[in-house]
Amino acid sequence: KAGVTQTPRYLIKTRGQQVTLSCSPISGHRSVSWYQQTPGQGLQFLFEYFSETQRNKGNFPGRFSGRQFSNSRSEMNVSTLELGDSALYLCASSPWGGYGNEQFFGPGTRLTVL
Amino acid sequence: QQQVKQSPQSLIVQKGGISIINCAYENTAFDYFPWYQQFPGKGPALLIAIRPDVSEKKEGRFTISFNKSAKQFSLHIMDSQPGDSATYFCAAIDSQGGSEKLVFGKGTKLTVNP
Repeated sequence: KAGVTQTPRYLIKTRGQQVTLSCSPISGHRSVSWYQQTPGQGLQFLFEYFSETQRNKGNFPGRFSGRQFSNSRSEMNVSTLELGDSALYLCASSPWGGYGNEQFFGPGTRLTVL
Repeated sequence: QQQVKQSPQSLIVQKGGISIINCAYENTAFDYFPWYQQFPGKGPALLIAIRPDVSEKKEGRFTISFNKSAKQFSLHIMDSQPGDSATYFCAAIDSQGGSEKLVFGKGTKLTVNP
């Protein structure tokens, strides 16, 4: 089975712009979660989608949004980019969510905001 | 508010030695505790996980010890190898809501010297 794929792998944007990141989960997985990883804050949960519905959301401003399509692929959007949004954005998928399900992470998208 | 505290931040061990990483949590609703291993340029990968009704779980050279009353758990890597050099994250999930929200520790960078 192919793993979780994320595109693009690297992205450079300037402040004020917006960006869309894409995640394709492992085939058959219905839950997709997004995390932000920075040296200072570590790994922080952004949100989780399951069957096209946002099931949980972390403590990030409304500039961060996402969606999930019927084929379980997910996109994350960040509007009005700030310097502090520079991070590695990771997507993880799991079969159906819930207790003890392993989350499989993609390689991440490295976003740099100038 | 950091819900999972991880120590040490960095660890240097000689080949063949034992690596020990500790984590403590506050939220008693957490009911699943995975450890992730992350190599540079890669997403985290599940290493081993434990549920709070078990005090120890061993998989090869990796062992999780869990102390529910103290709300602490630790990862032991026996016979550490240079290939184990990576960043290790402990995490916790409150799965009662059916969500996949992982709460991560800040990570431990392990270096195993040959």
